Amino acid sequence: NAGVTQTPKFQVLKTGQSMTLQCAQDMNHNSMYWYRQDPGMGLRLIYYSASEGTTDKGEVPNGYNVSRLNKREFSLRLESAAPSQTSVYFCASSEVMGTNYGYTFGSGTRLTVV
Amino acid sequence: QKEVEQNSGPLSVPEGAIASLNCTYSDRGSQSFFWYRQYSGKSPELIMFIYSNGDKEDGRFTAQLNKASQYVSLLIRDSQPSDSATYLCVGTDSWGKLQFGAGTQVVVTP
Repeated sequence: NAGVTQTPKFQVLKTGQSMTLQCAQDMNHNSMYWYRQDPGMGLRLIYYSASEGTTDKGEVPNGYNVSRLNKREFSLRLESAAPSQTSVYFCASSEVMGTNYGYTFGSGTRLTVV
Repeated sequence: QKEVEQNSGPLSVPEGAIASLNCTYSDRGSQSFFWYRQYSGKSPELIMFIYSNGDKEDGRFTAQLNKASQYVSLLIRDSQPSDSATYLCVGTDSWGKLQFGAGTQVVVTP
């Protein structure tokens, strides 16, 4: 029962570098999400994919891009990292998008941009 | 103003006592609510879901929802040191996207 798997778990980037955070779920969920968590601000939605083949912006999409590669995988790309993107990133999935469906979270990626 | 507001705490609770966590929300369209628990350095995990006015009990946890007052609460009975964590109150918008509060830190003291 892997659930939601994120890689890498830790990453240090220099300003301007790019990287892709990987996320995969094995629960046959239709919807997937990327959040960032900063101290005192709670979880903020970056991008989401309601179903395979669709992606939409969340609350804080600037500086990020996403790809829903297939039903299982949803990646988040930082094209030119900035110190403001230092955060903990969580991928999550749900059976569908709906008011009665909670999310299952991955273990997180701790990203530091120097 | 955030859609979901919580006191950040920390809420200090003696072992064996009841921890009471409160949350208010501004979106009257929110239909259902979740409580997630997050241990330090870990990911959030779902512990309760409520969508009807009133109380819902699951083991030592009771969630309460009052839509007229736009108020959600979580009670933890017989608090244990293992309950020390941050508790996230979460609402839903009309599309089903979750709206997270910043969380209340609970510290259970032996």
